[in-house]
Amino acid sequence: QSALTQPASVSGSPGQSITISCTGTSSDVGDYDYVSWYQQHPGKAPKLMIYEVSSRPSGVSNRFSGSKSGITASLTISGLQPEDEADYYCSSYTSISTLVFGGGTKLTVL
Amino acid sequence: QVQLQESGPGLVKPSETLSLTCTVSGGSISSYFWTWIRQSPGKGLEWIGYIYYSGTTNYNPSLKSRLTISVDTSKNQFSLRLRSVTAADTAVYYCARDWPWFNPWGQGTLVTVSS
Repeated sequence: QSALTQPASVSGSPGQSITISCTGTSSDVGDYDYVSWYQQHPGKAPKLMIYEVSSRPSGVSNRFSGSKSGITASLTISGLQPEDEADYYCSSYTSISTLVFGGGTKLTVL
Repeated sequence: QVQLQESGPGLVKPSETLSLTCTVSGGSISSYFWTWIRQSPGKGLEWIGYIYYSGTTNYNPSLKSRLTISVDTSKNQFSLRLRSVTAADTAVYYCARDWPWFNPWGQGTLVTVSS
């Protein structure tokens, strides 16, 4: 299965909002509401930020939100803060009961 | 809260078998799915496979022919064995709980395949 498509990088200034897209196919993102988003700081393990397209785990800031339209899911971070600078990965369940990740997006807070 | 810790050799020779164990603490391994994920140096994440506490498994098709994931509920551990490794298997290997999202994750362990 092919990786989901994410932009290589996005940037924003503190206080702004940014959106990271994650494009799949009708066999993954388009057909299931099992899209998740992970934040990874350098040298650290990924951290779950969003699951089931738009649900937030306990302890994750409500500045992080997720959505989906067709074959594209999106992660929006509002009120950007310096500590949000990290790599972000999306993932989706697939029609063959496997899981595929996106290639990752590097978020730079200017 | 539940914590996961990977353990195993950091260096494996080409053609040999990579073996890792994930120890679960702060909670029981019974119930939940338990997953392995890897990340090649400087690259993205790759789902390896999962095991349910009862022993049901599901593997990434690209690794299925070389992969075995097992669980030992008496030790609160699950394990990964990847046979016939090559340099392409060099990666940080993570264990994580649940499916099809993963929370929490272990800290990861770097495995290098080299002679």
